[in-house]
Amino acid sequence: NAGVTQTPKFRVLKTGQSMTLLCAQDMNHEYMYWYRQDPGMGLRLIHYSVGEGTTAKGEVPDGYNVSRLKKQNFLLGLESAAPSQTSVYFCASSYGDRVHEQYFGPGTRLTVT
Amino acid sequence: GQQVMQIPQYQHVQEGEDFTTYCNSSTTLSNIQWYKQRPGGHPVFLIQLVKSGEVKKQKRLTFQFGEAKKNSSLHITATQTTDVGTYFCAGTTSGSARQLTFGSGTQLTVLP
Repeated sequence: NAGVTQTPKFRVLKTGQSMTLLCAQDMNHEYMYWYRQDPGMGLRLIHYSVGEGTTAKGEVPDGYNVSRLKKQNFLLGLESAAPSQTSVYFCASSYGDRVHEQYFGPGTRLTVT
Repeated sequence: GQQVMQIPQYQHVQEGEDFTTYCNSSTTLSNIQWYKQRPGGHPVFLIQLVKSGEVKKQKRLTFQFGEAKKNSSLHITATQTTDVGTYFCAGTTSGSARQLTFGSGTQLTVLP
């Protein structure tokens, strides 16, 4: 099993450009999450999903959109990238029904110039 | 909103010394999890604590959950170079049971 995979691993965008980050998991997990990690600030939750077709806002949702059309995939979109969105983005997944351990992907390093 | 604070932010120890990181929440937690992130890597789950006053051990690592369920600690005995990384605590509350709130982490450096 591959676990949680993320595409791409690295990306450089110019301000105003758009992009989509893809997360895929092969563990049949119900819950999926998108975090951003900035130096000294831990991981902050952007959006999450508790099942196919559902999404919800986390702590820092502004400037991002998500979709969960298939259970195994969770997409994070940036419609108009800003330098403040320069960060490392991690996707995670877990079993549903109460909090369980989260399995993280390898991350996507995004730079917005 | 819920805040989870971790101290210290950085810790340098000589190999063989002990290490402790502390986690404090502004609100009562339903449970707390600990993760380790190696340099350049992704967070990896270590353990989950649920009960008030709970203590769990994993080899040289000891995890505690406070009686009031608002604080937690991770203690490593006789550190090794393989312990290098950033340790995060993450908690949930009854009002946000589907979300983990992460602390800012403690970055551990072990000097050989």
